Amino acid sequence: GAVVSQHPSWVICKSGTSVKIECRSLDFQATTMFWYRQFPKQSLMLMATSNEGSKATYEQGVEKDKFLINHASLTLSTLTVTSAHPEDSSFYICSAEKQGIAKNIQYFGAGTRLSVL
Amino acid sequence: AQKITQTQPGMFVQEKEAVTLDCTYDTSDPSYGLFWYKQPSSGEMIFLIYQGSYDQQNATEGRYSLNFQKARKSANLVISASQLGDSAMYFCAMREGRGSGYALNFGKGTSLLVTP
Repeated sequence: GAVVSQHPSWVICKSGTSVKIECRSLDFQATTMFWYRQFPKQSLMLMATSNEGSKATYEQGVEKDKFLINHASLTLSTLTVTSAHPEDSSFYICSAEKQGIAKNIQYFGAGTRLSVL
Repeated sequence: AQKITQTQPGMFVQEKEAVTLDCTYDTSDPSYGLFWYKQPSSGEMIFLIYQGSYDQQNATEGRYSLNFQKARKSANLVISASQLGDSAMYFCAMREGRGSGYALNFGKGTSLLVTP
């Protein structure tokens, strides 16, 4: 298997503060990691693709200055929600791509529930 | 246009029975991969099974099998001998393109409830 760790699992913050979420691949290296957002009872929505050593690629409508992504090593990507507001409250989940023979599988972290007061 | 369609918002199955979760996809790319993930109420996304577009045989992983019908563009998940712990949301997803770095397109999901 493959293990992806995401931290914190749950965070409450005041409006205007910044929150950093970490995503680590524990037993494999990941050139590419992905960040998704999920609203209650909905599917996953891709926010950005994070590539090690280069700038992230953001999906249309996702503010890059608000959702800062850093992929500084082959095992760690971080998402920082800057100046968080109540509308940023959501479930954020990351995945790391494990490359294999004839197939690449995305393994997911356990997600982070963000509540902005 | 929706690339992944899951038409069953909710499904019930009795324990020990088999259940099929439907998934159809839309792509013009000859190289693609199809995935199924399970999301329990805790929120984590658990990888279940993968089928590549060039794979000749249907994928199987323990109690999970993928009924891949390429001409119909369907990739149904079959869970055999259902267990209470199988109750969860199930998402079908597709990756278009060959190689690495391609994101997944997810369907809206199917909520499965396994009853005693």
